[in-house]
Amino acid sequence: AQTVTQSQPEMSVQEAETVTLSCTYDTSESNYYLFWYKQPPSRQMILVIRQEAYKQQNATENRFSVNFQKAAKSFSLKISDSQLGDTAMYFCAFMKQSNDMRFGAGTRLTVKP
Amino acid sequence: NAGVTQTPKFQVLKTGQSMTLQCAQDMNHNSMYWYRQDPGMGLRLIYYSASEGTTDKGEVPNGYNVSRLNKREFSLRLESAAPSQTSVYFCASSGRRGPSNEKLFFGSGTQLSVL
Repeated sequence: AQTVTQSQPEMSVQEAETVTLSCTYDTSESNYYLFWYKQPPSRQMILVIRQEAYKQQNATENRFSVNFQKAAKSFSLKISDSQLGDTAMYFCAFMKQSNDMRFGAGTRLTVKP
Repeated sequence: NAGVTQTPKFQVLKTGQSMTLQCAQDMNHNSMYWYRQDPGMGLRLIYYSASEGTTDKGEVPNGYNVSRLNKREFSLRLESAAPSQTSVYFCASSGRRGPSNEKLFFGSGTQLSVL
């Protein structure tokens, strides 16, 4: 079974600063997908960024980027120029070819003014 | 742009009561999922349906049943609710397999309390 571990239950960052959220996973699959989802207080799950395991290049979406280390099974999220609207729970997720997506326990990020 | 629609948004049950959570998607997606979210545990997969007519157990299927009524609809049933099933339930769907399609679209969730 695949497992996803987020070792930081809570983090905080000053507005305009950079923060990195950690995620590790365990799998025997070679082809899979990794995701970061954001859940603001509204409870809606919002896709932030995704990465295909077969791509060596790290995914980037505006202020959000990942550091994907396949051999180390690590998938961290970097948020640059943090904004107050980035305050939310962030979930790392793993999906294998069968479309069975598994999530980590989440990191609560607070952006302070 | 309805996407994934869940009903109801809130529900309070007494122990032993039954209920069905409804989910529908209008994106012509093949796969549909039910998750529960509990504090400190993230989202855990209850059941999923990779295509119409098929269902599979996830991490925490005990106490639940599902029905993939057609391609659009995937319902979750609690036959005899227990306090341990108090949680937020999310339905999700995903499209055809392929590099650009591998992601989940989520409904807005159902807050269920079992007293």
